[in-house]
Amino acid sequence: SQQGEEDPQALSIQEGENATMNCSYKTSINNLQWYRQNSGRGLVHLILIRSNEREKHSGRLRVTLDTSKKSSSLLITASRAADTASYFCATDLYNTDKLIFGTGTRLQVFP
Amino acid sequence: EAQVTQNPRYLITVTGKKLTVTCSQNMNHEYMSWYRQDPGLGLRQIYYSMNVEVTDKGDVPEGYKVSRKEKRNFPLILESPSPNQTSLYFCASSSLQGADYEQYFGPGTRLTVT
Repeated sequence: SQQGEEDPQALSIQEGENATMNCSYKTSINNLQWYRQNSGRGLVHLILIRSNEREKHSGRLRVTLDTSKKSSSLLITASRAADTASYFCATDLYNTDKLIFGTGTRLQVFP
Repeated sequence: EAQVTQNPRYLITVTGKKLTVTCSQNMNHEYMSWYRQDPGLGLRQIYYSMNVEVTDKGDVPEGYKVSRKEKRNFPLILESPSPNQTSLYFCASSSLQGADYEQYFGPGTRLTVT
């Protein structure tokens, strides 16, 4: 089964609203990353948070990590139509060189 | 321009006909990997390589081979493709230097096996 699973699977909001996506994982990690994918295209790295960090910001993005609950959230503030994409979390498994992706959240932002 | 390139971008082939999908990066990255993306399953890692001549299995390696003879290239080989290998394939690379292991992805190869 997947190491990382995003919730919700799909999210539709209006421009200007905030979008929150959650990622849960099963085993210990070194770090957790978030990626964006526009339809059918390659993924683009958004942000990385290490296992000893609790929160990280990058522009309109805010990522939190709760290692006790094995979960992370990605918040996009003041969303724009251009934020429409799929968002994936990826976990770098502790003591391995593997990177495991979740199943993704499809975000639709309506103008 | 820093990039990961894949060829071909689209491929339709028949069962059993050997094929190779090439991947090349120009960033001198040590780490390279292959993923397949299927609806509802997200991205699954096929193989990865930590450096030249060092490769290891990901989560779904069956039916695939890879090689890493040069640092910049990491081809994916399907010796005898089957319809269940119809998928969207991505190559990615990252540096192992420094603290952030940001993956750079190629544009994808859409493979159809009939």
